[in-house]
Amino acid sequence: DAGVTQSPTHLIKTRGQQVTLRCSPKSGHDTVSWYQQALGQGPQFIFQYYEEEERQRGNFPDRFSGHQFPNYSSELNVNALLLGDSALYLCASSSIRRLWGDEQYFGPGTRLTVT
Amino acid sequence: KQEVTQIPAALSVPEGENLVLNCSFTDSAIYNLQWFRQDPGKGLTSLLLIQSSQREQTSGRLNASLDKSSGRSTLYIAASQPGDSATYLCAVSNAQTGANNLFFGTGTRLTVIP
Repeated sequence: DAGVTQSPTHLIKTRGQQVTLRCSPKSGHDTVSWYQQALGQGPQFIFQYYEEEERQRGNFPDRFSGHQFPNYSSELNVNALLLGDSALYLCASSSIRRLWGDEQYFGPGTRLTVT
Repeated sequence: KQEVTQIPAALSVPEGENLVLNCSFTDSAIYNLQWFRQDPGKGLTSLLLIQSSQREQTSGRLNASLDKSSGRSTLYIAASQPGDSATYLCAVSNAQTGANNLFFGTGTRLTVIP
């Protein structure tokens, strides 16, 4: 049973560019959440997708957007990259049917470096 | 706004010792609390999940407790091993926003010395 997978593993971009990160949830899961983890910090919630719609959003600017596909996989897009966007981006999946108590399963992350 | 604090920030112990990691949170209206392990540059591995109605959970050498009213949780690791060296993160979900929106502490970096 495949867990949460993310691609690419590492990415280097230049300020002002745009980037797309991808996530496939654990088998049987239908909800995907994205987190940003800066070096030495705990992860911060970006947003959550269910039924191809953004359901919740953390304190992140509109430069951060996402998408969920019918197969439950998801993309995170970041426009107009800033140096401060350099971080580990983590994807987590769960089942909405157990929204209020389910365990979150995390992927290995994508390391984004903005130069 | 929920804020999660973990103490100590770093801990170094000799192999075989028992140890306790601490986590505190400001809003007691939580739905659950999770402890995670993170190896350098890697993703998060879930260790234990405690529902808000529970007081503790155990898995092998790990035991996590929850005191919701005081906003505290502890992770107890028995007979520590070098392979336990990692950063341990505590995360809570709020009743208002649900389990898919986790608030994390900054973690405790544990080093177990052989």
